[in-house]
Amino acid sequence: GESVGLHLPTLSVQEGDNSIINCAYSNSASDYFIWYKQESGKGPQFIIDIRSNMDKRQGQRVTVLLNKTVKHLSLQIAATQPGDSAVYFCAEAYGGSQGNLIFGKGTKLSVKP
Amino acid sequence: EPEVTQTPSHQVTQMGQEVILRCVPISNHLYFYWYRQILGQKVEFLVSFYNNEISEKSEIFDDQFSVERPDGSNFTLKIRSTKLEDSAMYFCASSEPLRDEQFFGPGTRLTVL
Repeated sequence: GESVGLHLPTLSVQEGDNSIINCAYSNSASDYFIWYKQESGKGPQFIIDIRSNMDKRQGQRVTVLLNKTVKHLSLQIAATQPGDSAVYFCAEAYGGSQGNLIFGKGTKLSVKP
Repeated sequence: EPEVTQTPSHQVTQMGQEVILRCVPISNHLYFYWYRQILGQKVEFLVSFYNNEISEKSEIFDDQFSVERPDGSNFTLKIRSTKLEDSAMYFCASSEPLRDEQFFGPGTRLTVL
């Protein structure tokens, strides 16, 4: 079926370390993937996206890797800061058109100072 | 930076009552969405809206739900007869034409008693 899941529900890292958050997806027709950050009491905040014709995309301190062979998506955060503490969701969309996003359950990232 | 706004931030209602959740999408965006998030669970798609009509809807979006763009700025979600299980955070999102990046509002917490 169509589902997006996360390997690790919680992740605790030391400030300054790099963080890696993983996500598995099952719909091979998905061609657009997004990482969102959600802080307590707030809506999801866009971090970075990637389309299926790419395997890597970099932003400011963040990198998204897409492995279509094993249907795996990861978010790497460099030099993790306390402000990065939040729940991170991966989401997928298929068809390449405006439509619904299918969200995973989320990984809680805690950054220890 | 432009942002999606939602009102009210918290709505408490009695079971069976009608509620209207309001959203003001980003001004140049043409695609609008509603999602919900039951406490502790993942974000779920409800409906997408473009050119004054529903583009796509999920199984959750049954006959009790409706959406409307009553003017050039507001986008509303109406629940005709609320049930206890409608209690959730409801997020509005919008996106530019021809882009998939969806910007989320801060959400409305709906509590049905």
